[in-house]
Amino acid sequence: AQKVTQAQTEISVVEKEDVTLDCVYETRDTTYYLFWYKQPPSGELVFLIRRNSFDEQNEISGRYSWNFQKSTSSFNFTITASQVVDSAVYFCALSEARDDMRFGAGTRLTVKP
Amino acid sequence: EAQVTQNPRYLITVTGKKLTVTCSQNMNHEYMSWYRQDPGLGLRQIYYSMNVEVTDKGDVPEGYKVSRKEKRNFPLILESPSPNQTSLYFCASSLFGGGDSDTQYFGPGTRLTVL
Repeated sequence: AQKVTQAQTEISVVEKEDVTLDCVYETRDTTYYLFWYKQPPSGELVFLIRRNSFDEQNEISGRYSWNFQKSTSSFNFTITASQVVDSAVYFCALSEARDDMRFGAGTRLTVKP
Repeated sequence: EAQVTQNPRYLITVTGKKLTVTCSQNMNHEYMSWYRQDPGLGLRQIYYSMNVEVTDKGDVPEGYKVSRKEKRNFPLILESPSPNQTSLYFCASSLFGGGDSDTQYFGPGTRLTVL
């Protein structure tokens, strides 16, 4: 069965620090998709990225970057030079080919000024 | 403006009283889904739909029904709500169910309390 583990429940950093949020997944499928979502204090869910299992290329988008490693079943998310506005709960999720989706428990990131 | 709308945003009801939470998207997306979010449990998928008249169970479908008669609407139906269905509900849509370039859009959430 598919499973997503976000071992870090809460992380607190000071502004401008780099921070990495870990995500480890389990799946038996060879075709699957990995996701990251952000949920700021206002409560809405913001889609950040989707990656398919055949593309291990790292992704960079501004201060955000993602490191996908099939060898360790990990899809980690790094925020460079963190800002107070990055404070949120971040969810990693996995979807296998049949399209149901499983979320991790989330990591609450607090960035202090 | 591209968006997913949900109604109502807040609802307090009593056990056993049937209710429907509506979800509508204006982006002609094929894929729609419902999630619930509970403290300590994260987000769990309830049902999803790949297209009109095609729906499938997610992680926690018990106690819920959905329908997809039109592409834009995907209502969530609680035939006989119970207190354990008190939760924050999100509807989402995307053009297709997979693909790197496919952004998922979420509705603003519906906070449901069942007394």
